Amino acid sequence: NAGVTQTPKFQVLKTGQSMTLQCAQDMNHNSMYWYRQDPGMGLRLIYYSASEGTTDKGEVPNGYNVSRLNKREFSLRLESAAPSQTSVYFCASSESTTNRRNQPQHFGDGTRLSIL
Amino acid sequence: AQKVTQAQTEISVVEKEDVTLDCVYETRDTTYYLFWYKQPPSGELVFLIRRNSFDEQNEISGRYSWNFQKSTSSFNFTITASQVVDSAVYFCALRTGTASKLTFGTGTRLQVTL
Repeated sequence: NAGVTQTPKFQVLKTGQSMTLQCAQDMNHNSMYWYRQDPGMGLRLIYYSASEGTTDKGEVPNGYNVSRLNKREFSLRLESAAPSQTSVYFCASSESTTNRRNQPQHFGDGTRLSIL
Repeated sequence: AQKVTQAQTEISVVEKEDVTLDCVYETRDTTYYLFWYKQPPSGELVFLIRRNSFDEQNEISGRYSWNFQKSTSSFNFTITASQVVDSAVYFCALRTGTASKLTFGTGTRLQVTL
């Protein structure tokens, strides 16, 4: 099925470890996004990539880096994990051309990340 | 700056009751898009509906209906004759005409019991 695929689905890390969350979409979307979801806070944007070759900070970028590897793939890296980064992470993609801004974002199933 | 407020943190209803989820938004843009997403207990985010700022028609889809009112900056979601399967967290989101990113509300958790 077409959609957004995130890996892994679950991960436990120790404080200070690093890891990369992978995301790929096969809908030929221009824009991709990384969110984190914490209880009572909705979804907060970490980083986004409006188009291939560009990345921009969202609301909560500290402690994260991203790479837009190609049009399909957008990875999120935690260089030195901290307990405050325990969260559920969602990747999303959408069309973003001027005449397509009304299109919804499509989300992956999420990555549940725990940092001890 | 954009903002979406979902003042209802949690709502509990008995099956077959009607329930309305409130969403109030703020933006200075004249062109914008509003969305509702559902997050069932399994955790995925499911797109339900979008509305453009220049289209104030209300919409009905089965037991779901949406009331968009620019005068009050609201985009409320009503479920008629609620069912247990409607139990989920519902998010309202806003995208402005010049941005590619969404601003989400904090969500409303709906619990429907028998």
